[in-house]
Amino acid sequence: KNEVEQSPQNLTAQEGEFITINCSYSVGISALHWLQQHPGGGIVSLFMLSSGKKKHGRLIATINIQEKHSSLHITASHPRDSAVYICAASFGNEKLTFGTGTRLTIIP
Amino acid sequence: NAGVMQNPRHLVRRRGQEARLRCSPMKGHSHVYWYRQLPEEGLKFMVYLQKENIIDESGMPKERFSAEFPKEGPSILRIQQVVRGDSAAYFCASSPPGVGGLLYEQYFGPGTRLTVT
Repeated sequence: KNEVEQSPQNLTAQEGEFITINCSYSVGISALHWLQQHPGGGIVSLFMLSSGKKKHGRLIATINIQEKHSSLHITASHPRDSAVYICAASFGNEKLTFGTGTRLTIIP
Repeated sequence: NAGVMQNPRHLVRRRGQEARLRCSPMKGHSHVYWYRQLPEEGLKFMVYLQKENIIDESGMPKERFSAEFPKEGPSILRIQQVVRGDSAAYFCASSPPGVGGLLYEQYFGPGTRLTVT
């Protein structure tokens, strides 16, 4: 069964802290996506990766294919990073299977 | 290049009415996906379409729901005889055509929030 699990469900941290959100999946994937859902509800695609590591500004995404695990890191976190972060996987086709999301709150 | 557009942004329907949700993909994108987010739940795949073709509708409820992506115009998600349980946010995403099985990033629209009273 194609499943995606995320942890933690909720994360509260102080401004400036290094943040890690984890995602694991059940079987082989074609690609792993990280999405950000703003408090207003809009969804932004942050990364799509199938191997290795990608970086964009303060955001870093890594994936370990052997361990079926991906992480999203945020360096020097800021209150504007507060959002729900969602991991999603493509299991050999184009449709996405989503994790339940991690609600991140950064306190000033 | 405008992003993915969805309208309306908010839609209120009474039980038994029809809801029509529209999605205009990004320019050059021929693949459209519809996802549903029920209150306090995660996103779930509904249907994947290319121009004039339904490719995968494995996530669509068997009754009352239909989707199309005509040669001209936006993709439409249609819900007939709406019930309270259809209240949700409906997101559309689009991507360019993949070549040789290559997958591309999906770009999401702002969503349509459907409320059934």
